[in-house]
Amino acid sequence: GDSVTQMEGPVTLSEEAFLTINCTYTATGYPSLFWYVQYPGEGLQLLLKATKADDKGSNKGFEATYRKETTSFHLEKGSVQVSDSAVYFCALTGNNAGNMLTFGGGTRLMVKP
Amino acid sequence: EADIYQTPRYLVIGTGKKITLECSQTMGHDKMYWYQQDPGMELHLIHYSYGVNSTEKGDLSSESTVSRIRTEHFPLTLESARPSHTSQYLCASRPPGSNYGYTFGSGTRLTVV
Repeated sequence: GDSVTQMEGPVTLSEEAFLTINCTYTATGYPSLFWYVQYPGEGLQLLLKATKADDKGSNKGFEATYRKETTSFHLEKGSVQVSDSAVYFCALTGNNAGNMLTFGGGTRLMVKP
Repeated sequence: EADIYQTPRYLVIGTGKKITLECSQTMGHDKMYWYQQDPGMELHLIHYSYGVNSTEKGDLSSESTVSRIRTEHFPLTLESARPSHTSQYLCASRPPGSNYGYTFGSGTRLTVV
């Protein structure tokens, strides 16, 4: 079945550091890929998405490129801020009934001033 | 601005009580979902619905039940709360098509004492 694997956290960075959170997936066909962010005490918010190979999703300085050859969708940001501290989830829509989302386990990011 | 609303945001309740967690969305989405999120962050699907009068159990066995009498409303009920039900509960909905992600509510943090 479909699966998503994220790097384990927590990831601790200083402000203005470069961020990479790795995400790889297993799926049949051509899934759509998503990154969600969850701030403390909140639900998940869609951060960005890509729906086909080589697409780049971007939002709020974050980027991720759909790499079909490496089945990856790594999240990057050039300069993180304290306000980026949150939990990040990678997800995909597979070919299951109802196109249900499959989530990774989440990666906690902590940014220190 | 949230288009999917969960109430209450926080609830502390005694063992054995019956509780209903409310979830409503104003987007006209047919597909709705309930997730339980453990302290380790992982999301577990407990119920989903593809439309009015459609409800299914998810991957994680749950003692809760759901109903879908109206498109916009997807409440979750625990007939007899126990301390093991202490968790964060997230409701989500999505439009048709695999290119779209879920829209999540802000969640209900339930504590059973």
